[in-house]
Amino acid sequence: DSGVTQTPKHLITATGQRVTLRCSPRSGDLSVYWYQQSLDQGLQFLIQYYNGEERAKGNILERFSAQQFPDLHSELNLSSLELGDSALYFCASSAQAVDGELFFGEGSRLTVL
Amino acid sequence: QQQVKQSPQSLIVQKGGISIINCAYENTAFDYFPWYQQFPGKGPALLIAIRPDVSEKKEGRFTISFNKSAKQFSLHIMDSQPGDSATYFCAASKTSTLTFGKGTMLLVSP
Repeated sequence: DSGVTQTPKHLITATGQRVTLRCSPRSGDLSVYWYQQSLDQGLQFLIQYYNGEERAKGNILERFSAQQFPDLHSELNLSSLELGDSALYFCASSAQAVDGELFFGEGSRLTVL
Repeated sequence: QQQVKQSPQSLIVQKGGISIINCAYENTAFDYFPWYQQFPGKGPALLIAIRPDVSEKKEGRFTISFNKSAKQFSLHIMDSQPGDSATYFCAASKTSTLTFGKGTMLLVSP
């Protein structure tokens, strides 16, 4: 158990809809990362927050947004969903802003029909 | 642009054999090279990591070899066991943002 909690574990929705994925980092970790995992693209970095502030941005679509709250949990919002957004979305946390060791949750599997 | 290239895509090794997975990177600013192990239904978990100031790091049956001039690094799993069957990802980091390879699915046959 990594200590990172993600909800929901599975989500099925329709194209055009909006969903919110939630992540609680390990106790004490200030950094939260979001990754998207698909069969053809592997693990793609989306965005990083550190202590509530956006710190780094990767291949995140404009239809996607994220935030980190004062209690350090984070949410990833996916809107105007397309079939191609179907993937596993992982949250990871680390203690520092610059720290290569990430602790991953078990992921949220999104299926867009 | 794929900054970390990983091979092979899949690998079958007999129990007791050596599993070797290779990665190559392009960005010389990368300063941290971890390997992650992922079992089905789970998130990736850190297995072993190396920084570019050393050429090799060993932890138990797992060894990373690092060649800075060639911009390549590899994972060797000695005495491979069925329990090692998983997907392995190499990664490279600059300021903590990890760039992952596409993964290698390892199957260790009994």
